[in-house]
Amino acid sequence: TQLLEQSPQFLSIQEGENLTVYCNSSSVFSSLQWYRQEPGEGPVLLVTVVTGGEVKKLKRLTFQFGDARKDSSLHITAAQPGDTGLYLCAGTSGTYKYIFGTGTRLKVLA
Amino acid sequence: GAGVSQSPSNKVTEKGKDVELRCDPISGHTALYWYRQSLGQGLEFLIYFQGNSAPDKSGLPSDRFSAERTGGSVSTLTIQRTQQEDSAVYLCASTTLDSRDGYTFGSGTRLTVV
Repeated sequence: TQLLEQSPQFLSIQEGENLTVYCNSSSVFSSLQWYRQEPGEGPVLLVTVVTGGEVKKLKRLTFQFGDARKDSSLHITAAQPGDTGLYLCAGTSGTYKYIFGTGTRLKVLA
Repeated sequence: GAGVSQSPSNKVTEKGKDVELRCDPISGHTALYWYRQSLGQGLEFLIYFQGNSAPDKSGLPSDRFSAERTGGSVSTLTIQRTQQEDSAVYLCASTTLDSRDGYTFGSGTRLTVV
């Protein structure tokens, strides 16, 4: 069974700080996605990474896929209150079904 | 429609009652998924529909859960004889055949069984 562990589970930081969220598995994924979910809404896709070692940047967010395609990280620079939410990673080994991680709940204080 | 629409947004039901949750996917999206999200948890896969193929029901937690998708569009998730442990947010998502485009989720139905 594929499992995706995310860490930390909870993170509360001050506006302007940097942070990194991790997504780890013992399984190899052909594709990994990151989503952000706000209260009362469904998750919204942030990025898809497919190549080992791949780095993608989305404004202040930097996503990295591990060389072995078993792990990923999300780094946020100069966090803002608008970054508050639940961050979910999701991976697939090539099928139609994505397995979701346990989530990291981020709160950025003004 | 412009997005995935789910109804109702909230549902409170008594233990033992049946409930139906509806999902209207994005027009043209052939794949439709149901996930369940318990309080503070990640998403648990329930069922997957793709075109006219047989659905993947491997995530349904018990035979009290069923789902159908009529005409390749609207889907209904039915929970019979609801139990308190069924309380959760039920999320529907649709996507193109190549799910690398990512899922588009609805806002979910928050089900509370009392």
